[in-house]
Amino acid sequence: GIQVEQSPPDLILQEGANSTLRCNFSDSVNNLQWFHQNPWGQLINLFYIPSGTKQNGRLSATTVATERYSLLYISSSQTTDSGVYFCAGVINNDMRFGAGTRLTVKP
Amino acid sequence: DTEVTQTPKHLVMGMTNKKSLKCEQHMGHRAMYWYKQKAKKPPELMFVYSYEKLSINESVPSRFSPECPNSSLLNLHLHALQPEDSALYLCASSPGRWYEQYFGPGTRLTVT
Repeated sequence: GIQVEQSPPDLILQEGANSTLRCNFSDSVNNLQWFHQNPWGQLINLFYIPSGTKQNGRLSATTVATERYSLLYISSSQTTDSGVYFCAGVINNDMRFGAGTRLTVKP
Repeated sequence: DTEVTQTPKHLVMGMTNKKSLKCEQHMGHRAMYWYKQKAKKPPELMFVYSYEKLSINESVPSRFSPECPNSSLLNLHLHALQPEDSALYLCASSPGRWYEQYFGPGTRLTVT
């Protein structure tokens, strides 16, 4: 079946550290997005990034659609960055989410 | 206004009850979605409405019945649910189908 794989599944960082989260797709993907789900369940848009690179403050993302992957960079992490990060994209007319990366940032 | 609102925030219902979840957006978006998320799992797409017409139904059981009364409103009618239907139900909207999606805060549903 169609796979959306995120790595790593879990990540523990000390405050101030940098990290890279990865999302791989087994098939062509369109309309790729990155989300942060906070402890209350709210999914917050981080990036809508079908291709190319975008930056927003301490966060940036790169999607290489031809190679079927996307990366999310978090620099100078803060405790408020904790939560689950999901990538999602449209594959064969279906919106598919990865299993998520659970990030814990310790003070 | 970039907000999607959902009511209620929490809902507890018995297996014989009928209830409805409501979702509203005022961003002029023409596509709206329902997702179901079980604990520690990613969201799963249930329904897609595009221009107020149901365009995708991901083989969801008939005890879940979506309704789109107008371009700003999306309802999910619930009837004869099972305990395994307990989950976080998320609504989203986007300018057009599959464009950047904005999510509401969700309704936490418990079926007893």
